[in-house]
Amino acid sequence: NAGVTQTPKFQVLKTGQSMTLQCAQDMNHNSMYWYRQDPGMGLRLIYYSASEGTTDKGEVPNGYNVSRLNKREFSLRLESAAPSQTSVYFCASSNRATGANVLTFGAGSRLTVL
Amino acid sequence: QQPVQSPQAVILREGEDAVINCSSSKALYSVHWYRQKHGEAPVFLMILLKGGEQKGHEKISASFNEKKQQSSLYLTASQLSYSGTYFCGTDPNTNAGKSTFGDGTTLTVKP
Repeated sequence: NAGVTQTPKFQVLKTGQSMTLQCAQDMNHNSMYWYRQDPGMGLRLIYYSASEGTTDKGEVPNGYNVSRLNKREFSLRLESAAPSQTSVYFCASSNRATGANVLTFGAGSRLTVL
Repeated sequence: QQPVQSPQAVILREGEDAVINCSSSKALYSVHWYRQKHGEAPVFLMILLKGGEQKGHEKISASFNEKKQQSSLYLTASQLSYSGTYFCGTDPNTNAGKSTFGDGTTLTVKP
């Protein structure tokens, strides 16, 4: 049982380049999330998807776009990367139908923007 | 509005106890706690729901004061494996989906 799988694990970009972080979960969860974590800081919600076909902005959505491709997959796109987007990105999923929003996180994707 | 955790860091000897606090300015439906080891993903510890009971997990337990919008995580008889950063996540209601996290409390347990 893989849980939440993120790719790539590491990526270095130059300012202005674009890239997509991929996330897939095999737990049949309806909700998926993208967080970023800066050094020594907590997790900041970028976007989330309550269910297939819906997405909503979180605390720090500027500079990002998302796609909920199907129930399993939720991708995060940086259209024009900036050094301020250097961070570790975590995808997570949960089954909010239970009434308890317990998050299962992926291993993280470390992004450096030069 | 993210919750506020205190203290920012704790250093303990094996066998000592610690308390980590999490407070919010908003009414909360649930509080959930995670532990993150260096370079790894956060791992769920426990969740406390509005109107629910105090939860426990081995020597780690937590409480939730709904009126004060506060939760506390209790670690008793600390072990080396308890070292890591602890985060509280909060949800204002069951359908919000926007779990927000505190900045974390780094716990170091020394032999």
